[in-house]
Amino acid sequence: GENVEQHPSTLSVQEGDSAVIKCTYSDSASNYFPWYKQELGKGPQLIIDIRSNVGEKKDQRIAVTLNKTAKHFSLHITETQPEDSAVYFCAASILRVTGGGNKLTFGTGTQLKVEL
Amino acid sequence: DGGITQSPKYLFRKEGQNVTLSCEQNLNHDAMYWYRQDPGQGLRLIYYSQIVNDFQKGDIAEGYSVSREKKESFPLTVTSAQKNPTAFYLCASSIGAGAHEQFFGPGTRLTVL
Repeated sequence: GENVEQHPSTLSVQEGDSAVIKCTYSDSASNYFPWYKQELGKGPQLIIDIRSNVGEKKDQRIAVTLNKTAKHFSLHITETQPEDSAVYFCAASILRVTGGGNKLTFGTGTQLKVEL
Repeated sequence: DGGITQSPKYLFRKEGQNVTLSCEQNLNHDAMYWYRQDPGQGLRLIYYSQIVNDFQKGDIAEGYSVSREKKESFPLTVTSAQKNPTAFYLCASSIGAGAHEQFFGPGTRLTVL
């Protein structure tokens, strides 16, 4: 089955700096890669996702890059703010035309702390 | 107000007792999922359901059971066969199969004493 590794497990940055979280996946058939943000005591919330037919996607201060050859993808947060402090999870899945659900395999999470 | 609700937020049970966690959604989503979250291990899929009256095992289904009698409800039973049931349980739903966003509920923290 799919295996997703995520690094680092904790990340501290100064407000205004950039943060980068990296993930690798094992199954070359994976074609959908979402990123979730989880605040303390809450459920995860999707912040950005990318499909395997594109290499990069941006949404304001957040961007995700995908390298299919190396089987890794990264989350980039620019101009970090205190409210960016949370746990971030990457995930991977194989989406089939015939359906079969969207079985996400998650990374182990990164605790991001943005310090003033 | 549309969304996913899980109740209760905190649940305590004695060892050996079965317990059922509630998950309800009013988003008219076809697919629903149950995940278990442990410190340092991310989220692991327990069961998922694509349509009413149908469900499949995820990666860690042993010791758990589910039902999907109604589109809006997907309860999870943690049985006494689950060796280490203390965890944070998250329910999610999506429009259907495919690259659709999974919306998560607030979670239930189960503690078995």
